[in-house]
Amino acid sequence: DAKTTQPPSMDCAEGRAANLPCNHSTISGNEYVYWYRQIHSQGPQYIIHGLKNNETNEMASLIITEDRKSSTLILPHATLRDTAVYYCIVRVSLDSSYKLIFGSGTRLLVRP
Amino acid sequence: DTAVSQTPKYLVTQMGNDKSIKCEQNLGHDTMYWYKQDSKKFLKIMFSYNNKELIINETVPNRFSPKSPDKAHLNLHINSLELGDSAVYFCASSQVQSRYTFGSGTRLTVV
Repeated sequence: DAKTTQPPSMDCAEGRAANLPCNHSTISGNEYVYWYRQIHSQGPQYIIHGLKNNETNEMASLIITEDRKSSTLILPHATLRDTAVYYCIVRVSLDSSYKLIFGSGTRLLVRP
Repeated sequence: DTAVSQTPKYLVTQMGNDKSIKCEQNLGHDTMYWYKQDSKKFLKIMFSYNNKELIINETVPNRFSPKSPDKAHLNLHINSLELGDSAVYFCASSQVQSRYTFGSGTRLTVV
């Protein structure tokens, strides 16, 4: 089962910041938080990941609370092409590998 | 150049048939995966191979058999197809402890 909960849908205006919340209250100390998005029916696309520090890359910023029980993905200037389903995922460690368990995600609609 | 490529992109077949979906990655990754996305859009992991060795095998009917001839390929063979197998199947690859790269998916329709 997914270890994350997200709102089913959100919307924001084009050019504004989109802030997507995620709860992961059962996360373990060495488990990473990953964010992916899926545009229409394409393959999921990696956005960003982090452990406990805030992270930023060319696509987004990831803010993780100090207790690591929740995080927020920030798209600083949303465009129409950012309309997609966004998945917050806790990476589950296995003996020799790990796996990403996807939840139901947040459907983000960017309005013109 | 496509990093993770799947063939075919679309597959329509009758119940009871046997079919295969092929996946190849040119990223030099050690681990490959198959995910299934059903009509409700849930993405569920099915299998994972690391250097041709099966490391994840979720609760999947044994009609599904993954085959990895080398670490750049992970094919999915499905026997005796059923209506409920209709879904989009995604292949992915990763290096150990790194991000996944997904293919563009294979839409399987069983009629």
